[in-house]
Amino acid sequence: KAGVTQTPRYLIKTRGQQVTLSCSPISGHRSVSWYQQTPGQGLQFLFEYFSETQRNKGNFPGRFSGRQFSNSRSEMNVSTLELGDSALYLCASSLGTGTIGELFFGEGSRLTVL
Amino acid sequence: SQQGEEDPQALSIQEGENATMNCSYKTSINNLQWYRQNSGRGLVHLILIRSNEREKHSGRLRVTLDTSKKSSSLLITASRAADTASYFCATDEGTGNQFYFGTGTSLTVIP
Repeated sequence: KAGVTQTPRYLIKTRGQQVTLSCSPISGHRSVSWYQQTPGQGLQFLFEYFSETQRNKGNFPGRFSGRQFSNSRSEMNVSTLELGDSALYLCASSLGTGTIGELFFGEGSRLTVL
Repeated sequence: SQQGEEDPQALSIQEGENATMNCSYKTSINNLQWYRQNSGRGLVHLILIRSNEREKHSGRLRVTLDTSKKSSSLLITASRAADTASYFCATDEGTGNQFYFGTGTSLTVIP
């Protein structure tokens, strides 16, 4: 079974630009969550999508948005990039139903904002 | 912030020794999980313990949970160089797949 796939793995942007990151979950998983990881703040929850609906949202500004498609693939977008948005963005998938279980993480997309 | 804290922040041991790391959290939880992260990579799930459980084992891993103290510990026995990684605890409060991760313990196992 293929794991969680995130693209791109690395990218460099400049302040003010926008970026779109993609995540393909494990087949059969309907929940996709996004996390931001930085040395200073650690792992911070961004949002979770389940069956194309945002089910949970973390405490991030509106510049951070996401969506989920009917095949469960998800994208997140960050507009008007700031230097502080430099981070490893991790996507995690899970079945999303029933008892809360483990998250399966992708390798992450490392974003550098110059 | 609901983020937990882990202690110690860094731990260095010899191969074959045991490693213990602790996690404290702030609110009532449904479950607590431990994850491992190799440098710059994604997280890998290690073990899940439910709020009504006190101890759980998986291979060389032993996890305890004390909900009255809002704390958990992860013990790795007979450590190996391949155990070198960062370890995170993660809690959920039963509001869906929203997890709060601890600050992590960086473990170095010296061959």
